Amino acid sequence: DAEITQSPRHKITETGRQVTLACHQTWNHNNMFWYRQDLGHGLRLIHYSYGVQDTNKGEVSDGYSVSRSNTEDLPLTLESAASSQTSVYFCASSVHRGLTDTQYFGPGTRLTVL
Amino acid sequence: DQQVKQNSPSLRVQEGRISILNCDYTNSMFDYFLWYKKYPAEGPTFLISISSIKDKNEDGRFTVFLNKSAKHLSLHIVPSQPGDSAVYFCAAEGTGNQFYFGTGTSLTVIP
Repeated sequence: DAEITQSPRHKITETGRQVTLACHQTWNHNNMFWYRQDLGHGLRLIHYSYGVQDTNKGEVSDGYSVSRSNTEDLPLTLESAASSQTSVYFCASSVHRGLTDTQYFGPGTRLTVL
Repeated sequence: DQQVKQNSPSLRVQEGRISILNCDYTNSMFDYFLWYKKYPAEGPTFLISISSIKDKNEDGRFTVFLNKSAKHLSLHIVPSQPGDSAVYFCAAEGTGNQFYFGTGTSLTVIP
């Protein structure tokens, strides 16, 4: 079955370390997204990609970067982790850029920055 | 600034009764809206959607209503079941399939 996976599911790191969260989808979807979920804020868009070599900033992109070298993967990198980046991170994908397209979410990664 | 708002963080409903979850948005350019359901330790899953050309969309026990003039949408669950207990997020689609999510409403259906 096609799916979207995230790894690791849980991660504890220290302030200042570089961390990479993996997202892999087997639907061959063009669009991929990274969100963070925080109490009182819902899900907020970090970065997104419409295809290979395409990346765009979302509303909370500071301190994060992504790269898209193939269709299946969109890794999220925290260049120098900060305690404010402690959160639950969700990856999502969708087929088209146009309207009415549902996004399908991965199971999430819980990141703790000490 | 939150463009999509869910003002009720939690809701408790008796099994068999109607659950009504509300959502307000500020951007009049939004014209596609979705509801997602989220269980603990899982990713959100799509529940139901509505385009602005409609004012109602129904799927089984779930109905979404859209009032464009009030910039308000609501999700009705009838009858509510204990398995419906979850966090519900509404979302509005902006340009390029970007979603703006509300803060979520935690629904508890009491057996």
